[in-house]
Amino acid sequence: QSVLTQPPSASGTPGQRVTISCSGSSSNIGRNNVNWYQQFPGTAPKLLIYSSDQRPSGVPDRFSGSKSGTSASLAISGLQSEDEADYYCLARDDSLGAWVFGGGTKLTV
Amino acid sequence: EVQLVESGGGLVQPGGSLRLSCAASGFSFSSYWMSWVRQAPGKGLEWVANIKEDGSKKYYVDSVKGRFTISRDNAKNSLYLQMNSLRAEDTAVYYCASLPQHGSDYWGQGTLVTVSS
Repeated sequence: QSVLTQPPSASGTPGQRVTISCSGSSSNIGRNNVNWYQQFPGTAPKLLIYSSDQRPSGVPDRFSGSKSGTSASLAISGLQSEDEADYYCLARDDSLGAWVFGGGTKLTV
Repeated sequence: EVQLVESGGGLVQPGGSLRLSCAASGFSFSSYWMSWVRQAPGKGLEWVANIKEDGSKKYYVDSVKGRFTISRDNAKNSLYLQMNSLRAEDTAVYYCASLPQHGSDYWGQGTLVTVSS
């Protein structure tokens, strides 16, 4: 049972917009920024969004992040087949004194 | 080019020990908190432990407290994870990672630890 809750799966067709949610609490998302990762099988995760809504250089602007209260979302617009991957949210939890990941969402395109 | 290269994984019996190493290059290692993150086969990511830039603070996920010890040697640009009293549920790919800070995020390729008799 992850501290941060994500839907286990999401899907969309090419060109569509899809959002993935990450629900937490006042001790994690409510107080701290959220980061989002994309992971393909057998590879290390890649940072997509940091500080809740910032994109590292090289990440397409099709990817965007937002946070409100104790929840955060990752939006992917203009969905492409190569976006099919697992997505994870990450935040600091001040009560646990630890980083916590969401359980992950498998995106099918 | 930034590189994080893990080593030390392998097959170990339950109750055994293993020491993971992570060699860093291409960035100012001593200026970063560093973490170990693991991923059990077919499962999600789990943060395991982290250590402050100078090694003065260390934090662990509850499931490894008292069994795992994170350490670093800034002179060697290296991060370590000493794992004792290993259990089957510790079987995972272990990643060395900076996690997001200073606008950067670095990960190694991972090293597989298998705990089995």
